[in-house]
Amino acid sequence: DAKTTQPNSMESNEEEPVHLPCNHSTISGTDYIHWYRQLPSQGPEYVIHGLTSNVNNRMASLAIAEDRKSSTLILHRATLRDAAVYYCILRDVTSGTYKYIFGTGTRLKVLA
Amino acid sequence: EPEVTQTPSHQVTQMGQEVILRCVPISNHLYFYWYRQILGQKVEFLVSFYNNEISEKSEIFDDQFSVERPDGSNFTLKIRSTKLEDSAMYFCASSRDPPSYEQYFGPGTRLTVT
Repeated sequence: DAKTTQPNSMESNEEEPVHLPCNHSTISGTDYIHWYRQLPSQGPEYVIHGLTSNVNNRMASLAIAEDRKSSTLILHRATLRDAAVYYCILRDVTSGTYKYIFGTGTRLKVLA
Repeated sequence: EPEVTQTPSHQVTQMGQEVILRCVPISNHLYFYWYRQILGQKVEFLVSFYNNEISEKSEIFDDQFSVERPDGSNFTLKIRSTKLEDSAMYFCASSRDPPSYEQYFGPGTRLTVT
């Protein structure tokens, strides 16, 4: 699986938007971009995923660069509950493997 | 909303003992996974399971580990002879068919080997 690069940590104020970046310059054409998050003392939680087009769901939005070498997870209004480690993971579903390879992610701190 | 459940939440065992960690995946899911996370480290893939057999396993998943789906609802991870370095959070996950869908993770079992 292609590697991703994320900042170690970020801070945001409550009720403000948060943009979490992810670089994946070696992404292949069949790599999907997945985002998970892990709240303290919990298992990873699916957030969103996409291939080429921007995606929205009830939790977040995913903005994918035109060349697909980077993406941004957007939390529209951060709450204290959004404080977590956010993981950007690439997975090639044509490879026959369905495991996730987690990196160290971005630890998001939300300030009240 | 359906969720993956795991029992026990915390298991303490002595080195050399066998442990079985239990998971109940989401009912209509067909793919099952185990991951582990040593304290302060990354989440690591252990094994994936489909159609009553292992479909993929990592280097961590050696002969001391086994998985089983003993009935239509449970999915278990057995460690035959635990070592100190097996102490970790163990997460079960499941996904729909096809497995390209997102995985839903359980809350984890904290295994402490003394």
